[in-house]
Amino acid sequence: AQSVAQPEDQVKVAEGNPLTVKCTYSVSGNPYLFWYVQYPNRGLQFLLKYITGDNLVKGSYGFEAEFNKSQTSFHLKKPSALVSDSALYFCAVRDERYSSASKIIFGSGTRLSIRP
Amino acid sequence: KAGVTQTPRYLIKTRGQQVTLSCSPISGHRSVSWYQQTPGQGLQFLFEYFSETQRNKGNFPGRFSGRQFSNSRSEMNVSTLELGDSALYLCASSTGTGSYEQYFGPGTRLTVT
Repeated sequence: AQSVAQPEDQVKVAEGNPLTVKCTYSVSGNPYLFWYVQYPNRGLQFLLKYITGDNLVKGSYGFEAEFNKSQTSFHLKKPSALVSDSALYFCAVRDERYSSASKIIFGSGTRLSIRP
Repeated sequence: KAGVTQTPRYLIKTRGQQVTLSCSPISGHRSVSWYQQTPGQGLQFLFEYFSETQRNKGNFPGRFSGRQFSNSRSEMNVSTLELGDSALYLCASSTGTGSYEQYFGPGTRLTVT
């Protein structure tokens, strides 16, 4: 069975500092991995995805994520945090082995707070 | 392209009533998924429809049902509402094939009193 874990409920970072939001996953086949962001009273917005290829994936708003197969992780990163990055972040995974028929599983979410 | 739209945005119902929520996906997208989001349980998958057929289902009681029309628009119905059904219901649209990412609507905030 596939699963995804976000071990930190909350991450607090000072503006201008680098940030990391952690995500680990478990699938039987190869993973499709995603990051989404949710601002207050809004739906989720797609940030980036890993399918195959380069382990470092670049996405929207200056975010990037690093796929690490040996550690089954897909951490979200940004070199310099902005106050406007404060939001709820979700990691998600889908098992490639079951192609389009497998559902996407979301993590529990990490609340990112950037202080000025 | 227009984004995913959900109607209504806010809804207040009383226990025992039923409710129907609507979702219009991005043009050309054939898959619509529904999620329930609550502070305590996070984001929980309800079901996915692809080309008018339910393709995946989460672990929700039979009071939760859905359907998809030939134009890919989808509706979700909850019968015999309970207080615990109060949540943000999110609809997500995707192509439904390959390594697809999902695009979410703004959600319907349902309050059951």
